[in-house]
Amino acid sequence: DGGITQSPKYLFRKEGQNVTLSCEQNLNHDAMYWYRQDPGQGLRLIYYSQIVNDFQKGDIAEGYSVSREKKESFPLTVTSAQKNPTAFYLCASSPVDREGGYTFGSGTRLTVV
Amino acid sequence: GQSLEQPSEVTAVEGAIVQINCTYQTSGFYGLSWYQQHDGGAPTFLSYNGLDGLEETGRFSSFLSRSDSYGYLLLQELQMKDSASYFCAVRDRSNQGGKLIFGQGTELSVKP
Repeated sequence: DGGITQSPKYLFRKEGQNVTLSCEQNLNHDAMYWYRQDPGQGLRLIYYSQIVNDFQKGDIAEGYSVSREKKESFPLTVTSAQKNPTAFYLCASSPVDREGGYTFGSGTRLTVV
Repeated sequence: GQSLEQPSEVTAVEGAIVQINCTYQTSGFYGLSWYQQHDGGAPTFLSYNGLDGLEETGRFSSFLSRSDSYGYLLLQELQMKDSASYFCAVRDRSNQGGKLIFGQGTELSVKP
């Protein structure tokens, strides 16, 4: 079955550390996205990529970095520059067209300890 | 910029009908989507309206009026499992891929 897999499900980070969240999809979607969700809040876009080796900043890109070396993979690194990284991180993918709905992964819950 | 407004919470009883409204302001517009998210889970796609009118999918319907920059999600025959957060989202026309901008979400509580 096609889908999108995020790992790990839970992640604990010490202050000052960089951590990388994995996102892999086998849906053959061209576009991939990273969103951040805080408790009781909507989804805010961090980064997105419409094609391999290209990506754009979203609304809250500061303190994050991404790469898109393969169509199937879009890892997100939360750097030490991100001052408030505790949140629920959601990865999504979609066809690059106007009507395709997003498919989301099950998320990674990151906590700074 | 883009912004979407939807009520923060709605409460209804099992078997009832509930409507969740969404108004939006965007620099461009491709369509209005709705997503459901159960607590701690992944959002799942419910519906998409690219043109004015009503789209029906089982117990759920979604409506769009582009002239009013307004849409709604209608849930009929409510069940306890419908308790979740519902997000409206619009595509941003500023790029070909169409990144989605999400509203803050409406938490629906279905009571027995």
